[in-house]
Formats: sequence, structure tokens, C-alpha cells
Amino acid sequence: DAKTTQPPSMDCAEGRAANLPCNHSTISGNEYVYWYRQIHSQGPQYIIHGLKNNETNEMASLIITEDRKSSTLILPHATLRDTAVYYCIAFNAGNNRKLIWGLGTSLAVNP
Amino acid sequence: GAGVSQTPSNKVTEKGKYVELRCDPISGHTALYWYRQSLGQGPEFLIYFQGTGAADDSGLPNDRFFAVRPEGSVSTLKIQRTERGDSAVYLCASSLASGSTGEQFFGPGTRLTVL
Repeated sequence: DAKTTQPPSMDCAEGRAANLPCNHSTISGNEYVYWYRQIHSQGPQYIIHGLKNNETNEMASLIITEDRKSSTLILPHATLRDTAVYYCIAFNAGNNRKLIWGLGTSLAVNP
Repeated sequence: GAGVSQTPSNKVTEKGKYVELRCDPISGHTALYWYRQSLGQGPEFLIYFQGTGAADDSGLPNDRFFAVRPEGSVSTLKIQRTERGDSAVYLCASSLASGSTGEQFFGPGTRLTVL
């Protein structure tokens, strides 16, 4: 079973920041937080990951709380093309690297 | 460069038939994964290959499902005696084996419909 819980859906206005929360209160110390997204009718796409520290790349920022029980994915300036289902995953490299997916958050970016 | 490709993109078959789904991973990626995704659900792990061998097949639902990767590159997922419940999108992903990365590169999927 997935170790993460996310709200089923969110809305965001185009050009504004989208902040997607994820709860992972049972995450283990050696488990990373990974984020993927899946645009309609496409395969999932990797976004970002982190262990303890906040991370930023060209797509997004990841904020992980100090106790690691939750995190937030931030899309700083959402566009219509960011409309997708966003998945937060607790990843254990020792678990044969398989990804255990929950239901994700369906983000709608509105014009 | 070329990403992960999957063929066919769509497959419609009748209950009881045999189907094969193909995955071409990114060149040089030694790890390959199969997942399946039902409507409104997240992907569900099926099997993981490291090179030619199946390192973890714990997600295969029953013995009607089988996958091979004979030369450590292309993989084929085989489903015997298909059932309507097998209808789903079958996703393939590949990754570099080194390190502890969970970054996997996904193909577009094969949509299987069993009538």
C-alpha cells in the first residue's frame, strides 16, 4: 500500500503558484519523497525528489518538513500545460526500486 | 534522444485470447519495469527486470501473466487467456541501475481492451 496521502483534487489559476501537499507520516528514515505527474493519456513523468533538504529544479520546488511527515510540491508559475495528476511517492531503493503509487492529486490549472 | 517506446499503443482482443505487449527501453538502461493502470487509479507494479532476469515479479496477478527480457533490452509482457478484468493501460519504464535513484522513465503505455 502507498505510504502517502494526497487531496484528490485542486484548482489553481494560471500564472499563480500551485502548492500540492502530501502526507507521509509513516515514512522511514531511508525513504525518499518522489514526485511524478501524469498528463492525460501519457505515461508518468518524473518531477523531483528529496530526502531531508528542500530541493529545486527547473520544474518545481520540494519542501519537506523537518520531521519528514509531510511535504509540498510547488509549481511557481502554473501554466495550462501543468494540468495533470500529481503523485507523491515514498521510495525505498532497497525495495527493488519499485514505485508504490497512490491515487494522486488531480490539478486543474484554469485560465 | 529516444525515450521508452511501447507497441502497440492500443490492443483490442477477445476474452480468452493471448496477447503480447512490447517495451523498448532507453538505450543503456539496465532496469526495466512493468506497471498497469486502471481508470482513475495510480499505476500498479507488476514486475522488475535487472538485465535479463526478473528481480521482482511479486506484482504479477496470477500465472496468466508472464514477462521476458531475453537480451537485457526489449521486454515483452505476455498475457494468456485474457479476461475482461485485464483491461487497463500497461506502462513500461526503464532506469539506470546504478545508485539509489527512483527516477524512472515511462513510455506512453499500451491500452489493452478485452471484450
